[in-house]
Amino acid sequence: QKEVEQNSGPLSVPEGAIASLNCTYSDRGSQSFFWYRQYSGKSPELIMSIYSNGDKEDGRFTAQLNKASQYVSLLIRDSQPSDSATYLCAVAGGTSYGKLTFGQGTILTVHP
Amino acid sequence: GAVVSQHPSRVICKSGTSVKIECRSLDFQATTMFWYRQFPKQSLMLMATSNEGSKATYEQGVEKDKFLINHASLTLSTLTVTSAHPEDSSFYICSARSDPNTEAFFGQGTRLTVV
Repeated sequence: QKEVEQNSGPLSVPEGAIASLNCTYSDRGSQSFFWYRQYSGKSPELIMSIYSNGDKEDGRFTAQLNKASQYVSLLIRDSQPSDSATYLCAVAGGTSYGKLTFGQGTILTVHP
Repeated sequence: GAVVSQHPSRVICKSGTSVKIECRSLDFQATTMFWYRQFPKQSLMLMATSNEGSKATYEQGVEKDKFLINHASLTLSTLTVTSAHPEDSSFYICSARSDPNTEAFFGQGTRLTVV
């Protein structure tokens, strides 16, 4: 079982729709959760971090964390073509304290 | 956010030569830096963790004698790929953080091509 799993997609949504990205993790002791966006040929850029159960909103982005279910998600509202990228879920803490373990990424395409 | 600068952004080298990649934190002290490798269409795989002033900790399967990591100051870590071969061609990315529970900030990445 992979430590961090994402639905690999590709996920295609129309412009203006909500894109939903999901991630599960295996280490129950994980403490920090991150969503990164990576454009082709570029390094990842941090979109959201979340540490507590519940929702965290930042602009068009909402991260949701459920530690009991070992599940973290990212919602992108009013999706734009510029949101088309690979989204990486990363987890830190627990047995890999301080290190990030990445999921394989979900490719998102927002079509006009 | 904090700025991490990685240099060079792109390098082509001949098989058998060594290449050094620098990672600098420009506006914060990076007690820990991480080095990742990303092959095409794959996710980032952690190669090693370096703490300032200490020897790097390598992930399983990563040859420490081939990938030399130095973290001599709180703002600079270097990765040297020794005796590079075509299979070492990859996107190498560093990240840095000041504190284990804070966000990691990534450098721009280095595209290494070994010919």
